[in-house]
Amino acid sequence: RKEVEQDPGPFNVPEGATVAFNCTYSNSASQSFFWYRQDCRKEPKLLMSVYSSGNEDGRFTAQLNRASQYISLLIRDSKLSDSATYLCVVNTNAGKSTFGDGTTLTVKP
Amino acid sequence: GAVVSQHPSWVICKSGTSVKIECRSLDFQATTMFWYRQFPKQSLMLMATSNEGSKATYEQGVEKDKFLINHASLTLSTLTVTSAHPEDSSFYICSASNSGRGQFFGPGTRLTVL
Repeated sequence: RKEVEQDPGPFNVPEGATVAFNCTYSNSASQSFFWYRQDCRKEPKLLMSVYSSGNEDGRFTAQLNRASQYISLLIRDSKLSDSATYLCVVNTNAGKSTFGDGTTLTVKP
Repeated sequence: GAVVSQHPSWVICKSGTSVKIECRSLDFQATTMFWYRQFPKQSLMLMATSNEGSKATYEQGVEKDKFLINHASLTLSTLTVTSAHPEDSSFYICSASNSGRGQFFGPGTRLTVL
């Protein structure tokens, strides 16, 4: 079993749709959590950190459930520019990062 | 803030040559830098963790004598792919950690070995 698992998709949604991505992690000692987006042939870019209380940044909402070892990312009112691969990243206390394989999103007109 | 640069952005070399990639944190000091490799349509694979002033920690299966890492200062880490072969062709990405607020990635180096 992988340390960080994501549904690979692809998710194909129309503009304006709401889409949710899920991520589970196996290491209960994990300390910090992030969502990154990666465009084709580009480096990953930090989208947002994920806090236990849940956090929102514009159209993006991230949630963490430590008991279930589960992280989610919700995108509302999808834009064409949201098309990318979304990576779930989990850090241990030692600072080691483990990346999920990513979920591919394509937003269509 | 938190800008990381990487140089070169792409390189094509002959089999057997060595290639050096630089990673710099431009506006913050990074005690830890990471080197990743990504093959097409695959996830990022951590190769090694580089701490300033000490030896890098390599992941299992990564040959330390083939992928030489030097982290000479708080803003610079280098990766040298020695005696590169076609199977080393990949997208190499560095990242720097900034006070636990996630990692910031360089733009990557696309290596093609002929």
